[in-house]
Amino acid sequence: GENVEQHPSTLSVQEGDSAVIKCTYSDSASNYFPWYKQELGKRPQLIIDIRSNVGEKKDQRIAVTLNKTAKHFSLHITETQPEDSAVYFCAASKGGSSASKIIFGSGTRLSIRP
Amino acid sequence: DAGVIQSPRHEVTEMGQEVTLRCKPISGHNSLFWYRQTMMRGLELLIYFNNNVPIDDSGMPEDRFSAKMPNASFSTLKIQPSEPRDSAVYFCASSLQNRASNEQYFGPGTRLTVT
Repeated sequence: GENVEQHPSTLSVQEGDSAVIKCTYSDSASNYFPWYKQELGKRPQLIIDIRSNVGEKKDQRIAVTLNKTAKHFSLHITETQPEDSAVYFCAASKGGSSASKIIFGSGTRLSIRP
Repeated sequence: DAGVIQSPRHEVTEMGQEVTLRCKPISGHNSLFWYRQTMMRGLELLIYFNNNVPIDDSGMPEDRFSAKMPNASFSTLKIQPSEPRDSAVYFCASSLQNRASNEQYFGPGTRLTVT
């Protein structure tokens, strides 16, 4: 089955700097890669996703990149702000089927230093 | 839309008692997922349903755990008997799974404490 590994487990960056979180997956059939953000005491919420037919996707200060050959995908947050402090989860799925599960990484706790 | 609804939001019970967690998915969604989240083990998928049918329950930790989805708008996760190690936040999520999207929408979670 699919296995998703996520690094680092914790990350502290200065406000205004960039943050990068990296993930690898094992199942070459996975084709949908969402990223979820979970603030303290709240539920996980989707912030951005990418499909395997695209190498990069950007939404304001957030971007995701995907390297299918290496089975790597990454989340990039630029110009970090205090509200970016949260736990971020990457995930992989065989999207497009009528019944597919999402396998989550172990999470990265991002702290933004003022 | 009210989003995914879970009840209760908090549950404190004694070891050995039966616990039932409830979930109402977003109307029109065809898939429902139960997750457990702890500091030690992260976010674990317990079971998921598609069109009310259980598809994969390989994440259910043991026979003490059971889940049902009698109709498209309701699901339960039951723990009987409960143990202190079951203490966690349990999330329900739903999605409309098709070729275009697999986005899962999470409910607010149920924080379970077993003493």
